[in-house]
Amino acid sequence: AQTVTQSQPEMSVQEAETVTLSCTYDTSESDYYLFWYKQPPSRQMILVIRQEAYKQQNATENRFSVNFQKAAKSFSLKISDSQLGDAAMYFCAYKRSGGSNYKLTFGKGTLLTVNP
Amino acid sequence: DAGITQSPRHKVTETGTPVTLRCHQTENHRYMYWYRQDPGHGLRLIHYSYGVKDTDKGEVSDGYSVSRSKTEDFLLTLESATSSQTSVYFCAISPGITANYGYTFGSGTRLTVV
Repeated sequence: AQTVTQSQPEMSVQEAETVTLSCTYDTSESDYYLFWYKQPPSRQMILVIRQEAYKQQNATENRFSVNFQKAAKSFSLKISDSQLGDAAMYFCAYKRSGGSNYKLTFGKGTLLTVNP
Repeated sequence: DAGITQSPRHKVTETGTPVTLRCHQTENHRYMYWYRQDPGHGLRLIHYSYGVKDTDKGEVSDGYSVSRSKTEDFLLTLESATSSQTSVYFCAISPGITANYGYTFGSGTRLTVV
């Protein structure tokens, strides 16, 4: 079974600085998708960024970017110019590609604090 | 989020009572899911549905049942609530079987079993 590991239960960053959240996963598949979700105190789950495993180029969405290392099975999230509104729980998730592979497997989450 | 609502948003119930949580979507998505979120566990899949009256179990299905009589509604029932079922419950939807763009989530239901 696939597993997703977020080794940092909590992280903190100063406003305007950069922070990187770690995620590793275990899979024997070659084709899959990876996601980062943000959960602010409102509890809403918000998709931040998505990566397709067969694409070598790292995904970027404004201040959010990933460092996808397929061989190492690593998928870290970098937040640049951190803002107070970035404070949230962040979840890494994995999904196999194709067929009936519907299920997202989530990590346990990293709680990010942004200090003014 | 637009197109998916959960009710109630909060509920407190007593041990041994039945509880039903509702998920309603207006996106006409075929796939619907129930997850629970607990500290230190992330989100874990309880049940999912791949069409009207078509449902299957996830990894933590014991003590839960689901029903889907219409495309737009997916109900999660705790037959006899226990304290271990105190959690935040999320419903999610995806348009196709592959969910390659992830899920869209509801805003969650916080359930407390006392």
